Amino acid sequence: AQTVTQSQPEMSVQEAETVTLSCTYDTSESNYYLFWYKQPPSRQMILVIRQEAYKQQNATENRFSVNFQKAAKSFSLKISDSQLGDTAMYFCAFMIEVGDKIIFGKGTRLHILP
Amino acid sequence: DAGITQSPRYKITETGRQVTLMCHQTWSHSYMFWYRQDLGHGLRLIYYSAAADITDKGEVPDGYVVSRSKTENFPLTLESATRSQTSVYFCASSELPGLESSDTQYFGPGTRLTVL
Repeated sequence: AQTVTQSQPEMSVQEAETVTLSCTYDTSESNYYLFWYKQPPSRQMILVIRQEAYKQQNATENRFSVNFQKAAKSFSLKISDSQLGDTAMYFCAFMIEVGDKIIFGKGTRLHILP
Repeated sequence: DAGITQSPRYKITETGRQVTLMCHQTWSHSYMFWYRQDLGHGLRLIYYSAAADITDKGEVPDGYVVSRSKTENFPLTLESATRSQTSVYFCASSELPGLESSDTQYFGPGTRLTVL
């Protein structure tokens, strides 16, 4: 069975600093999709970034980037120049194929301090 | 409005009552999903649907019923609500494989359900 583990339940960083959220997953599949979702206090689930396992290049979206280590089954999220609006719960998630369920980690609550 | 909507946004009910949570999407996405979010568990799949009239169980389907008579609607019914079903419920949708952004599930705003 596929699992997603986020080892940091909660983190706090100062505004403008860089922060890295950790995620590991377990699967026997060779191709799959990985995601980071952000859930602010509004509760809305917002896709931050996605990565296809067969792509070697790490995905980047503005201040957000990932470090995808396929052999280690690791998918960390780096937030550069953190902003107060980045305060949220962040979920790492995994999907084997399109149309399949998404398996979520339990989340990391991130606080950006002024 | 375009997108995926859920109603109601908040609901309080009593044990034993039937409750239906609505989900509507305007993209004509083929796939639709229901998740529940509980503290310490992240989001877990309840039911999903690949197309109208095609539904299947997810990880935690007990106590729930779904239907999908139209592509755009995917209601979730709690036939006899229990306190353990107090949760936040999210509906999501995604496109057919091969189409643009088909690897992404788009989530509704969620429904907070409290069962007393």
